[in-house]
Amino acid sequence: GAVVSQHPSWVICKSGTSVKIECRSLDFQATTMFWYRQFPKQSLMLMATSNEGSKATYEQGVEKDKFLINHASLTLSTLTVTSAHPEDSSFYICSARPEMGSRNNSPLHFGNGTRLTVT
Amino acid sequence: EDKVVQSPLSLVVHEGDTVTLNCSYEVTNFRSLLWYKQEKKAPTFLFMLTSSGIEKKSGRLSSILDKKELFSILNITATQTGDSAIYLCAVEAYGTASKLTFGTGTRLQVTL
Repeated sequence: GAVVSQHPSWVICKSGTSVKIECRSLDFQATTMFWYRQFPKQSLMLMATSNEGSKATYEQGVEKDKFLINHASLTLSTLTVTSAHPEDSSFYICSARPEMGSRNNSPLHFGNGTRLTVT
Repeated sequence: EDKVVQSPLSLVVHEGDTVTLNCSYEVTNFRSLLWYKQEKKAPTFLFMLTSSGIEKKSGRLSSILDKKELFSILNITATQTGDSAIYLCAVEAYGTASKLTFGTGTRLQVTL
């Protein structure tokens, strides 16, 4: 089945530093990937849609200069949290869906998430 | 704006009980409704429903969609402690490039 890999699984960083999170589709190509954020005891909230070869689309209220998204290839998207603050501490999850052939109707699959703690 | 409401918010049952989780939605250009199970990490896929009245089943779990009344249920029979998790319902619309709108989830705890 479709596999999405996310790295790192967890990261602790100091306030003011930047953190990069990678999302890879391992056995399929994805021109579009999605970045979600989940605060404790809350549901997943879509932050942005990552588009291969073009700019990401951000949801309302998400700062594009703070959460930099790069979709460098058909299998890799990165999210960089710049100048991180403690309130950015959260669980970040990426997702993607196969877009070609018989798997086009498959559901979105999620990476294992990255737990970010900013001290 | 698309909206997904799940109920109950949380539920505690004894092992062996049967539970029914509810999901109602409002979405323009409905494409599919999905159920996910989330334990400690990212959600794992359970079911994708696109047609009304067709039950999908996987072991002790089953789900059905009513597109007229705009809701879905997820049933778990003979619950086990390993079923303890957050169950998320999400909807997808056509023309949104596979973007999902999630409900707040139902937190299920199965006790011995």
